[in-house]
Amino acid sequence: QQQVKQSPQSLIVQKGGISIINCAYENTAFDYFPWYQQFPGKGPALLIAIRPDVSEKKEGRFTISFNKSAKQFSLHIMDSQPGDSATYFCAARGSARQLTFGSGTQLTVLP
Amino acid sequence: GAVVSQHPSRVICKSGTSVKIECRSLDFQATTMFWYRQFPKQSLMLMATSNEGSKATYEQGVEKDKFLINHASLTLSTLTVTSAHPEDSSFYICSARDLGRGNTEAFFGQGTRLTVV
Repeated sequence: QQQVKQSPQSLIVQKGGISIINCAYENTAFDYFPWYQQFPGKGPALLIAIRPDVSEKKEGRFTISFNKSAKQFSLHIMDSQPGDSATYFCAARGSARQLTFGSGTQLTVLP
Repeated sequence: GAVVSQHPSRVICKSGTSVKIECRSLDFQATTMFWYRQFPKQSLMLMATSNEGSKATYEQGVEKDKFLINHASLTLSTLTVTSAHPEDSSFYICSARDLGRGNTEAFFGQGTRLTVV
C-alpha cells in the first residue's frame, strides 16, 4: 500500500517558470516531510523539509507548502533553471523513523 | 551538510559470487543506517534498517540471508549480496541519520550500481 502519492510523474517547464510537484499522504503519524533531488546515477540529496506544525517554508527558490487538514504538501521551484532538471522525491517520516518515499517526478527545465 | 560515503560506486560481478557494499558516515556518528534499492525510473524501496551493534531489521519480502547487513561501528555499515543473480542487479543506496542533529535529517550515499552477469 502506497502511503505517499506523488504527482505528476513527469513535468516539463520553461526556464524561468514555476515547477510544482504535489504529494499526499495517509498516515497522520508522519511527523517530518522532506524533499529530495536526485540526479542520474547519484544518491538523493536533501533539498528542503518541513514539519506539520508549519504551513510554509522557503529556502531560496524552493518553497514547501503544507496543508495538514488535507494531508497534502507541495514543492514549488521558482525561476526554474535547466540545472534543476532532475528527479524529485517527496518523503514522509513515520514513528519508526523510517522514510516513505513518493514515486518521484522527473523534472525537465527547457532552456 | 553531513557526508555519507558509499563504496564502490559501480560493481560488476558474476552470478553466484558475493558482493560487499560499504556505507560510511565521514563526519558524524550514526546509530542507524538504512539500505534502499532503486530500480530504473522508480522510487527508493527500503530494504532494511541497520542498527549499530545489533541485528538489522528487514522489510517484508527482503531475504535476510541473501542481503547480509553488518553495522559494526557508529560510522560503518555493510551490505553483502550473497550468491548474486542477474535479478539482483540494481542501484543500492544507503542513508544515515546524524546523532548530532537530533536524528532528524537523513543523508544519503552516492549509491552503488550493481550489475550481475
